[in-house]
Amino acid sequence: DAGVTQSPTHLIKTRGQHVTLRCSPISGHKSVSWYQQVLGQGPQFIFQYYEKEERGRGNFPDRFSARQFPNYSSELNVNALLLGDSALYLCASSLRKGSYNEQFFGPGTRLTVL
Amino acid sequence: GQQVMQIPQYQHVQEGEDFTTYCNSSTTLSNIQWYKQRPGGHPVFLIQLVKSGEVKKQKRLTFQFGEAKKNSSLHITATQTTDVGTYFCVLERDYGGSQGNLIFGKGTKLSVKP
Repeated sequence: DAGVTQSPTHLIKTRGQHVTLRCSPISGHKSVSWYQQVLGQGPQFIFQYYEKEERGRGNFPDRFSARQFPNYSSELNVNALLLGDSALYLCASSLRKGSYNEQFFGPGTRLTVL
Repeated sequence: GQQVMQIPQYQHVQEGEDFTTYCNSSTTLSNIQWYKQRPGGHPVFLIQLVKSGEVKKQKRLTFQFGEAKKNSSLHITATQTTDVGTYFCVLERDYGGSQGNLIFGKGTKLSVKP
């Protein structure tokens, strides 16, 4: 079975540009979350989508936006890139069963902003 | 807001030695999860603890949830080089039914000298 997939693997952008990151969850998973992981830190929650609706948003500026499609795949968009946006962007999907909530993470997209 | 403190930040051990990382919260938790992230990799779910005083074992790994559900620990017996990585304790943010909205501790980075 395929795990969570993300594209692209690596990306280099310059300040002020826009970027779109993509995520495909595990088949049957309807919940997708996005996290930003700066080098040496733990992942920080950005967004969570369930059934195409935003269910949670972390402490990130409005330059960050996301959406979920009918097939449950998701996109994360970042406008007006800053140097500080350089990070590993992780997508995670889950299939919640009661109180059990294992998150399956994709390999991530490493974004470098120059 | 909710947060979790994790200690130590770094741990260097000789192969065969034991290792323990501790996680503390100022608030009572409904559950706690542990993830492992290998160098250059993505977080991988290890376990979720739900019950007060719960102890779970996975081969050489022992996970414990405190009686007050405010702390947790991960103990590795006789470390091996394959144990290298960063271990995160993770809370699920109380977002009224939200799924996948995780709060990561800063993690404990384990290095093992062969």
